[in-house]
Amino acid sequence: NAGVTQTPKFRVLKTGQSMTLLCAQDMNHEYMYWYRQDPGMGLRLIHYSVGEGTTAKGEVPDGYNVSRLKKQNFLLGLESAAPSQTSVYFCASSAGTEAYQPQHFGDGTRLSIL
Amino acid sequence: GQNIDQPTEMTATEGAIVQINCTYQTSGFNGLFWYQQHAGEAPTFLSYNVLDGLEEKGRFSSFLSRSKGYSYLLLKELQMKDSASYLCAVTDSNYQLIWGAGTKLIIKP
Repeated sequence: NAGVTQTPKFRVLKTGQSMTLLCAQDMNHEYMYWYRQDPGMGLRLIHYSVGEGTTAKGEVPDGYNVSRLKKQNFLLGLESAAPSQTSVYFCASSAGTEAYQPQHFGDGTRLSIL
Repeated sequence: GQNIDQPTEMTATEGAIVQINCTYQTSGFNGLFWYQQHAGEAPTFLSYNVLDGLEEKGRFSSFLSRSKGYSYLLLKELQMKDSASYLCAVTDSNYQLIWGAGTKLIIKP
């Protein structure tokens, strides 16, 4: 069972470079999320999507853009990478926002910005 | 502001019982989740509480008191594989998940 798949798993970028992180889910979930996880801090929501073609800002959206052209895919873009964006990025999906619906996570992308 | 507090780190002995506490102050409350995260891996769902009381699931139990803004995760018969971080998360009035920083649990033989 694939669940939520993130690519790439690791990446090193230079300051100012751009890149796209890909998230794919095969559970037919409506909702998808991008988080970052930094040492000593809780997961912080970057952007989320409540369905194909829709996106919304989370807690820390600056410096990131997203797109949800297909229901199963949610892309996170860094336009001009900065060292402060060094982090572990997790994608998650859920069947809906009913409070009891858990989020299912991908294995993460470890991103270093030099 | 919204805040979730958990101890940073706890140590317990294999075979013992450990209780991990979580206190929260959020704008509204629509449920509380516990997730387990092994080092270098994704968080995985453990439990969900929305009503006061204890939910038991095998060796793991989770308790909620909404009036006190308090929850705990109880792990019994600890095994070495239980060494992980345990994340507490609350669904607020906008149905957004607010995450605690997690409690790193170290199990010693």
